[in-house]
Amino acid sequence: RKEVEQDPGPFNVPEGATVAFNCTYSNSASQSFFWYRQDCRKEPKLLMSVYSSGNEDGRFTAQLNRASQYISLLIRDSKLSDSATYLCVVNPFNYGQNFVFGPGTRLSVLP
Amino acid sequence: NAGVTQTPKFQVLKTGQSMTLQCAQDMNHEYMSWYRQDPGMGLRLIHYSVGAGITDQGEVPNGYNVSRSTTEDFPLRLLSAAPSQTSVYFCASSLSGQGLSGANVLTFGAGSRLTVL
Repeated sequence: RKEVEQDPGPFNVPEGATVAFNCTYSNSASQSFFWYRQDCRKEPKLLMSVYSSGNEDGRFTAQLNRASQYISLLIRDSKLSDSATYLCVVNPFNYGQNFVFGPGTRLSVLP
Repeated sequence: NAGVTQTPKFQVLKTGQSMTLQCAQDMNHEYMSWYRQDPGMGLRLIHYSVGAGITDQGEVPNGYNVSRSTTEDFPLRLLSAAPSQTSVYFCASSLSGQGLSGANVLTFGAGSRLTVL
């Protein structure tokens, strides 16, 4: 089993839609969790960190379920500019050198 | 403030050639790392460093060497290029290798696309 797994995608949704991405991780000792966004042929950039209580940043909501080892990202009112690949990232030991990246889920928001 | 700078952006090598991918950051980050990204595989850690003079292996270190003589620079050397090393390489840094305060958020360079024939 891969350490971090994500919905395979791609997701094609119309503008204004709500879309949810799922991510599961295998290491129950994992401490830090992130969502990164990667545009085509560009470098990954931090979208948001994921906190135990869940957190929201504008149209984006991240949830963490430690018992199920599951992370989610919800995007409301999708914009064309949200089209990208979303990477789930887990840091098992709270040390930067052990970031584990999921394969990513590609989102296309259609006009 | 340039962030993380990688060179070259593109490179074509023949099997057996060696080369160095350069990475420099101007943010005084302690932690630096190299990843490779292949289709369907996600980013995989090659080598990392938690400070000048300290390096360690990641998930896929074979065929690569690194050194960290200064805080700013973290070059990645391909010793004898193989077609399996065709990939996109990303250098990334963070303020620290630990902590929930955001100090372990990674900043990436723009990437280096390497093709080995």
